[in-house]
Amino acid sequence: DVKVTQSSRYLVKRTGEKVFLECVQDMDHENMFWYRQDPGLGLRLIYFSYDVKMKEKGDIPEGYSVSREKKERFSLILESASTNQTSMYLCASSPGLAGARDEQFFGPGTRLTVL
Amino acid sequence: EDQVTQSPEALRLQEGESSSLNCSYTVSGLRGLFWYRQDPGKGPEFLFTLYSAGEEKEKERLKATLTKKESFLHITAPKPEDSATYLCAVNQAGTALIFGKGTTLSVSS
Repeated sequence: DVKVTQSSRYLVKRTGEKVFLECVQDMDHENMFWYRQDPGLGLRLIYFSYDVKMKEKGDIPEGYSVSREKKERFSLILESASTNQTSMYLCASSPGLAGARDEQFFGPGTRLTVL
Repeated sequence: EDQVTQSPEALRLQEGESSSLNCSYTVSGLRGLFWYRQDPGKGPEFLFTLYSAGEEKEKERLKATLTKKESFLHITAPKPEDSATYLCAVNQAGTALIFGKGTTLSVSS
């Protein structure tokens, strides 16, 4: 079975802190994704990556950056956390190349609260 | 403009009362339609992929169907453990998945 793990289930940070969310997948997938999920807004794509050291902006990249130094690991970085970044963050991976017809497999999520 | 619309937003059923959830989409060049189940506080769990109109997939009490404009998730004789939010997503050519906002299903015994 595909396993996608996220470094924390719950995280509480203060405004202005730099926050790192880590995601690891164990199935040698090419593609990795970061979403945030908010009530009434659904899942929104922040960034995705189709290859090591490669990244693409999603629908809401402002205030975030990402890093993919190894194929299995995709990190989401909040450079200076703000209260409007309080959300559930979900990481996903899928096997194929860009534009491929692949289902995505999700991690358990990180509930981030910024005070 | 919403590209993926799910209805209803919420659905309450009695145990054993069959029903359907709808996912309509307006994207062109559909490369796949995906159904997920999400329990509260957890990540979405993959259920089905449908690629072409007329295709059907089944898993236990769930059956997903696809037409050119919409997909249905049919739930036959649901049980309380089927209570969850069901998400639909589409893969448009050259882009990442586009998700609907989900249907929250509650099944009472």
